[in-house]
Amino acid sequence: AQSVTQLDSHVSVSEGTPVLLRCNYSSSYSPSLFWYVQHPNKGLQLLLKYTSAATLVKGINGFEAEFKKSETSFHLTKPSAHMSDAAEYFCVVRGLNNAGNMLTFGGGTRLMVKP
Amino acid sequence: DAGVIQSPRHEVTEMGQEVTLRCKPISGHDYLFWYRQTMMRGLELLIYFNNNVPIDDSGMPEDRFSAKMPNASFSTLKIQPSEPRDSAVYFCASSLGGGTGELFFGEGSRLTVL
Repeated sequence: AQSVTQLDSHVSVSEGTPVLLRCNYSSSYSPSLFWYVQHPNKGLQLLLKYTSAATLVKGINGFEAEFKKSETSFHLTKPSAHMSDAAEYFCVVRGLNNAGNMLTFGGGTRLMVKP
Repeated sequence: DAGVIQSPRHEVTEMGQEVTLRCKPISGHDYLFWYRQTMMRGLELLIYFNNNVPIDDSGMPEDRFSAKMPNASFSTLKIQPSEPRDSAVYFCASSLGGGTGELFFGEGSRLTVL
């Protein structure tokens, strides 16, 4: 079985303060992990991905995520929030099983940035 | 590359009408996915194709929904007859290779059924 849990449905931060969006996963196989961002009325855009190379992954717009196998986590961070970061963020797990391709989305975290 | 292209971007129709949503994946990608997004249910996978062949359609809500991929550069999602509960944003996504590749999403088709 494969699952993704985004621990917070909403996160609110002030501009200039750090961002932490939490994601835990479970997978019977060695998965790939992704973070996507969705701005209002837009499609999903890839922020970053982990595919079993370096455990600390850097993405676009100053975001990064650390893969921690022992904690089955893939939390998304950014040192300093910007107003333009306000959006919905999805953690995604993709892996293979005997049936083929499995791709699982988390429920999403809405990030609000206060001036 | 132009990315994944979906049409129409917005569709407003009346209950009982047929709706056809279209998707052009990124050239060379061999996987194509159709998703539906609503406030209540979030993102739901409806169906996905590999090399134009439907692999998993277990997410298709009911027989009113059908999807085809006649060739590597075109797919359609059809709803007939449409109902108000079908109102949602429908996303198409494509990827290169299975297993671990990232998905590239289109901008979505916002469907409103009155």
